[in-house]
This record gives sequence, C-alpha cells and structure tokens, in this order.
Amino acid sequence: GAGVSQSPSNKVTEKGKDVELRCDPISGHTALYWYRQSLGQGLEFLIYFQGNSAPDKSGLPSDRFSAERTGGSVSTLTIQRTQQEDSAVYLCASSLNRGPRETQYFGPGTRLLVL
Amino acid sequence: GDSVTQMEGPVTLSEEAFLTINCTYTATGYPSLFWYVQYPGEGLQLLLKATKADDKGSNKGFEATYRKETTSFHLEKGSVQVSDSAVYFCALVNQAGTALIFGKGTTLSVSS
Repeated sequence: GAGVSQSPSNKVTEKGKDVELRCDPISGHTALYWYRQSLGQGLEFLIYFQGNSAPDKSGLPSDRFSAERTGGSVSTLTIQRTQQEDSAVYLCASSLNRGPRETQYFGPGTRLLVL
Repeated sequence: GDSVTQMEGPVTLSEEAFLTINCTYTATGYPSLFWYVQYPGEGLQLLLKATKADDKGSNKGFEATYRKETTSFHLEKGSVQVSDSAVYFCALVNQAGTALIFGKGTTLSVSS
C-alpha cells in the first residue's frame, strides 16, 4: 500500500517568509508525528497527533512553529518568519495506534533551505 | 530525561566483515527499542525492534538483543555487504508513546 507522503520534497525560501509543509499519513493510521533532521542536532521530535486528542507540542522549538491535523488525516506544519537555523529535513511519520510498541513509518521528508 | 547514546562513526569495513554498532540508553522503565536505517537518498525505515527485555530483533541478517542489565541494544551482523552502507539510528519510544528519541546516528561504509 501507499506509504507516508510529504510535499514539497524541497523548499527554498527567504529569511522571514512563512512556509507550509504537508504530510499524508498511511491510510488508517491514527497517530502522526513530525521530526526534524539537521546536521547539528540530529533527529528531533517536534509534535505528535493522536486522533482527536490534544497534540503533544513539547518538541516545538519556538512559537514560530505550529501544526494542525485536519479530519484526523492530513497534517500541515507551518513555520512563520523562517530563520536560517530552520534549514533542515522535516520528516513526518505515522503509526497505526499510539503506544510504546508501535512502529513508526516515515515519509521521505521535505528539505527546507532558508536563505 | 530519556536518551540514547550510540557509537560515533564513521565505521568503515570490508565486505564480509563482522559488524557491531553499540547503543546504550537511559530511560524510565523498559521502553521499546528500535534500529532505523537510512540508505543514501532514501527515507528512514525500520530495521528491527524489540519490545521487552531479552527480546531479540532480527531482519536482513542484522540482530540486536534487548539487555536491561546493561541498558544496551547493540546492532550486529555477521557478514556485511556493500549494500549495507547507510546511516543507522538507535531509538527508543518515550513512556507516553508520543515520540521516538534517537541517537546521533552511525554511518557505515562497506567496501568491496
């Protein structure tokens, strides 16, 4: 079946602009996660959604970052007033359910470059 | 807080050599443990996992055993191939099941 998809695959923007990154999880997966992969920081958790529950936003680095998940499916990560340190690969993952044993399936990522 | 420590790379091996990549963790309780792999130009994918102490995860000739006594989950393969060249990440799930916590990654390069 189809895996996790993300768009765009690459995004180049100017400092100060807003960007939106999209994630389509695997159909039927109730849990959705965003991570960031950068050279300096490795892989970092950003935010987690599970069904209609309040998201876990504990990993968001600043209030310039926000995310939503509409209809329990597609998710959008928004970065406002982008900074050069936001340059990274943004990864989305989904899992069938929430829980410590669940396997997360990752999308190919969106590579963001802030000039 | 929870954390994962894995050996620094890069690891450079000849084909058919034995591979060990060390991984240790700090966590509350006994979290599920994972190895993810990122091949050049591809996304992260699950290699293997273990959900409780003494479990052995295995896949594609790779193995790792969950050792609670030493809080370790070392990755091993008896005979590596050039196609195993990739970045390997050890990870655990936090107790709430809301996030994976990753090690820094170990780059493996296998030459023929």
